[in-house]
Amino acid sequence: NAGVTQTPKFRILKIGQSMTLQCTQDMNHNYMYWYRQDPGMGLKLIYYSVGAGITDKGEVPNGYNVSRSTTEDFPLRLELAAPSQTSVYFCASSPYSPTSGSPEQYFGPGTRLTVT
Amino acid sequence: KQEVTQIPAALSVPEGENLVLNCSFTDSAIYNLQWFRQDPGKGLTSLLLIQSSQREQTSGRLNASLDKSSGRSTLYIAASQPGDSATYLCAVVLPSGTYKYIFGTGTRLKVLA
Repeated sequence: NAGVTQTPKFRILKIGQSMTLQCTQDMNHNYMYWYRQDPGMGLKLIYYSVGAGITDKGEVPNGYNVSRSTTEDFPLRLELAAPSQTSVYFCASSPYSPTSGSPEQYFGPGTRLTVT
Repeated sequence: KQEVTQIPAALSVPEGENLVLNCSFTDSAIYNLQWFRQDPGKGLTSLLLIQSSQREQTSGRLNASLDKSSGRSTLYIAASQPGDSATYLCAVVLPSGTYKYIFGTGTRLKVLA
């Protein structure tokens, strides 16, 4: 059971380039999340999805886009990379709503992105 | 706006000590609170979840308490070990319908052998 997988592990982008961070989970979870973690800081929610075809903004959505065409995949798109987007990006999934009895989130290993 | 703060930011203790990590949140209207562990270069692992109606949860040497009215949670680690060295994060879940987790900045723990 692979859990939550993210690719790539590392990436260096030039300013203005675009890229897609991939996230896949094999646990049939409805809820998926994208977070960014800046050095010495906690995680900030970028976008989340409560099921295929349904996405919504988190705390820091500017500069990013997402789609959720299948239950398994939740890619994060950076269209015009900026140095402020240098961060570690984590994808997570959960089988239930955060307000259910057991909303445990399962995290991927992260993608370390540098924009120069 | 809900803000979550963790103090101290870093902590270094000798092996065997009992220790307490603190998490404070500004809005008591939370649905639940989770404690996570993050090892360097890794993702997060869930440790304990406390529902808003609960006062504490225990798992092995870990005990987490929640006082909603004062906006505080503590994570107690008994008989600390070098393997406990990691960053510990707390996160609160906002009330029903928003599906959002708000994370604290974390406490970086080092347990010395």
